[in-house]
This record gives sequence, C-alpha cells and structure tokens, in this order.
Amino acid sequence: GAVVSQHPSWVICKSGTSVKIECRSLDFQATTMFWYRQFPKQSLMLMATSNEGSKATYEQGVEKDKFLINHASLTLSTLTVTSAHPEDSSFYICSARDPSTGISSPLHFGNGTRLTVT
Amino acid sequence: KQEVTQIPAALSVPEGENLVLNCSFTDSAIYNLQWFRQDPGKGLTSLLLIQSSQREQTSGRLNASLDKSSGRSTLYIAASQPGDSATYLCAVPPTGGSARQLTFGSGTQLTVLP
Repeated sequence: GAVVSQHPSWVICKSGTSVKIECRSLDFQATTMFWYRQFPKQSLMLMATSNEGSKATYEQGVEKDKFLINHASLTLSTLTVTSAHPEDSSFYICSARDPSTGISSPLHFGNGTRLTVT
Repeated sequence: KQEVTQIPAALSVPEGENLVLNCSFTDSAIYNLQWFRQDPGKGLTSLLLIQSSQREQTSGRLNASLDKSSGRSTLYIAASQPGDSATYLCAVPPTGGSARQLTFGSGTQLTVLP
C-alpha cells in the first residue's frame, strides 16, 4: 500500500537554529501534502498544505516565515522550522493521499518527527 | 466550521471485552470519515474509512459505523487485546475545505489490561 516516509523521527536542536523535516511519498506521486502539528495530549492541527511547484497554503495563525515549506518534487515536501524556540517543540506529522486512488481514498501519514528545542 | 468530538477521552478495559468508541461531528456534509490509531510517539495508522454513502465498514475485529444525519460514528472493537492499547482518532474533511484535508477529534486513549 501507499507509504509516507518522514525523516528524521526525532531531533533536538538549540534555540535559534533551524531544523528541516522531510516527507516523502515512497510509491506514489503526491501533488499535495499536509503538515500537522500535535502537542502532548492533544489532537492533530493542520498547519499548512504543501503544493508541488507552487506556494504552500498556511492555516490561520501559522507563521509563514517561521515554518517554511518547499514541495520541489512530486515525492518530497520539506518543512523547515526557522529560528526555533522552545515553544516550537512538538510532534510534526506529514500526510498525503495517493491521487490515483480517488478523492475519497484514505490519507496516509508519516511516522512523525519529535522536535525538542532546548 | 467543522468540529469533531470524541467520547470518552480515555477508556480502560480488561482484555477480552468488547468496546465502543464514539465520534461526533457538527457538519454532516462530509465526503467520508476515517478512523486512525496512534501509538505513543508515533504517526497515524489508518484503520477504516467510511464513505458518505456507506453505513459501516469492517476490518477484522473492528467495525465502524456512520450516521451522517445525526453526525455520529462509532468504532466497535471486539474481543479487545493488550495490543489494541493506543489512542484512537476519528477525522473528517472540514467544512468548505478540500476533501483531502482532515479535521481530527481529540482522540480516545484506550488501555486494554492483560
């Protein structure tokens, strides 16, 4: 079945540095990928929609300049947390749907990236 | 704006019991509803997807039902096992949003005691 791979699975960085998270669709091409954030004991909140070859669409309240999204190919989207601060510590998860399976097919998720900013 | 609620927030049962997890949503104009499982520190695993035209879906010991008119879905787990312990999330496309996006409930944390 369709697989979404996310890397790294966890990362610790110092405050002020930038961190890049990769999301790959392994056996299908995804023109659209979704980035979610999940705080402890809370559900997933959509941050942005990554569109291949064009700008990402951000949800209200999500800083575009802080969370840079690049979707340069049909199988790779990256999320860069710039100038990270401790409050950015969270679990980031990407997802995608295999477009060949139709608009109502399941959404597939990566295994997530645990970001800790010290 | 679509809102999704899951009850209970946490549930603990002895091994072997049958159980039901509940999910409700405010906007019934949905394409589908999806149930996921999330293990601690992990991503989401899709369990079942019910199309808006369907009333239920089954996979092994899992059965999910959908009542669009009342904005409700249930996930039934038969003969629960300790390996079923996880957080279960239901999700639907948001009102006015793309069918590819999802709005999640807050989840039900299930613990099955051996």
